Amino acid sequence: GQQLNQSPQSMFIQEGEDVSMNCTSSSIFNTWLWYKQDPGEGPVLLIALYKAGELTSNGRLTAQFGITRKDSFLNISASIPSDVGIYFCAGQLEVQETSGSRLTFGEGTQLTVNP
Amino acid sequence: NAGVTQTPKFQVLKTGQSMTLQCAQDMNHEYMSWYRQDPGMGLRLIHYSVGAGITDQGEVPNGYNVSRSTTEDFPLRLLSAAPSQTSVYFCASSYWSRGETQYFGPGTRLLVL
Repeated sequence: GQQLNQSPQSMFIQEGEDVSMNCTSSSIFNTWLWYKQDPGEGPVLLIALYKAGELTSNGRLTAQFGITRKDSFLNISASIPSDVGIYFCAGQLEVQETSGSRLTFGEGTQLTVNP
Repeated sequence: NAGVTQTPKFQVLKTGQSMTLQCAQDMNHEYMSWYRQDPGMGLRLIHYSVGAGITDQGEVPNGYNVSRSTTEDFPLRLLSAAPSQTSVYFCASSYWSRGETQYFGPGTRLLVL
């Protein structure tokens, strides 16, 4: 099946620094999603990307859908302590009647922000 | 709306025991799914359902059963628990249109001794 390689696995940064993480795939995806998971909680959607080359922002977060449709990156600017958590990328191939909105997830990036 | 709810929050089982993890959503979503989360492995799809009465296997289905008798509920059954099933289990739901966000429950932490 499809696999997503997410990097880095973990990051330790100082408050105020910018952060960048990315996902690559051997397969093409039609949709890329970025989720954040706080400790003890389920993942929550941050940004959704629907078109190759698309660049989308959500506050201090910016994500791009790679032009080859095989990669995506997420940037966080001016990090703050509440940015701590695990960030997951997820790819969706296409919605079919038999498989619905099935997602493939990356392994996650654990972000630690030191005040 | 309560969103996606999961029970129990924590469970300890002995090897060989069976149990059912409950998942319910009140958003009238067609699509529901179960994932397990293990350190360094992201979320892996166990089973999913595109509507009541329709289920299918995901990436790691062995040792688990599901059924979908109503739109709202999607229970996950462990038939004979094994230590390899120690994990955090998440249920998610969405409309099954393209890119529609999946809403996740808070998770069930399972320890199999």
